[in-house]
Amino acid sequence: QSALTQPASVSGSPGQSITISCTGTSSDVGGYNYVSWYQQHPDKAPKLMIYEVYDRPSGVSNRFSGSKSGNTASLTISGLQAEDEADYYCASYTGSSTLVFGTGTKVTVL
Amino acid sequence: QVQLQESGPGLVRSSETLSLTCTVSGASISAYYWSWIRQPPGKGLEWIGYIHYSGTTNYNPSLKGRVTISVHTSKNQFSLKLSSVTAADTAVYYCAIYSTYAYFDYWGQGSLVTVSS
Repeated sequence: QSALTQPASVSGSPGQSITISCTGTSSDVGGYNYVSWYQQHPDKAPKLMIYEVYDRPSGVSNRFSGSKSGNTASLTISGLQAEDEADYYCASYTGSSTLVFGTGTKVTVL
Repeated sequence: QVQLQESGPGLVRSSETLSLTCTVSGASISAYYWSWIRQPPGKGLEWIGYIHYSGTTNYNPSLKGRVTISVHTSKNQFSLKLSSVTAADTAVYYCAIYSTYAYFDYWGQGSLVTVSS
């Protein structure tokens, strides 16, 4: 199974909104509403930010939102803050009952 | 409060078997699916596989044949064995709870395993 495709880096100024894309196929992202997003700060374990495409776990800021269109899922961070600077990974369920991660995106707050 | 903690050797010789254990507290091993994920230094995340307490497993096709995940109900632990390791298996290994809706909501802190030649 091939990793989902994410941009290597995305940047924005404080207060701006940014969107990270996650492109797969009809066998993963496009076929199921089981896309999740993770935030990872340096030398830390990943943290769940979005699950089932749109839903936020308790305690995650509502500045983070998820969406999906066709084979591409997206994570939008609005009102960008310095603490949002981190790596972000998407993940999707696949038709083989397996899971595949995205290539990862480094978010820089300018 | 749910906590997961990886443990095991930090150094494994090439061609040998990597073994890690994840100890779970604050949740019953009999209640969820359990997964291993790894991250080579400076690289992205890779899903290794999952196990249900009933013994049902599923593995990443790229690792199939080398990986075994087991559950140890009496100890509230689950484990990972990866055979015939090479330098490419050097990574931080994470254990996590795997929701039936395909996401990981609780993670361990990670355990660095280095494969030496």
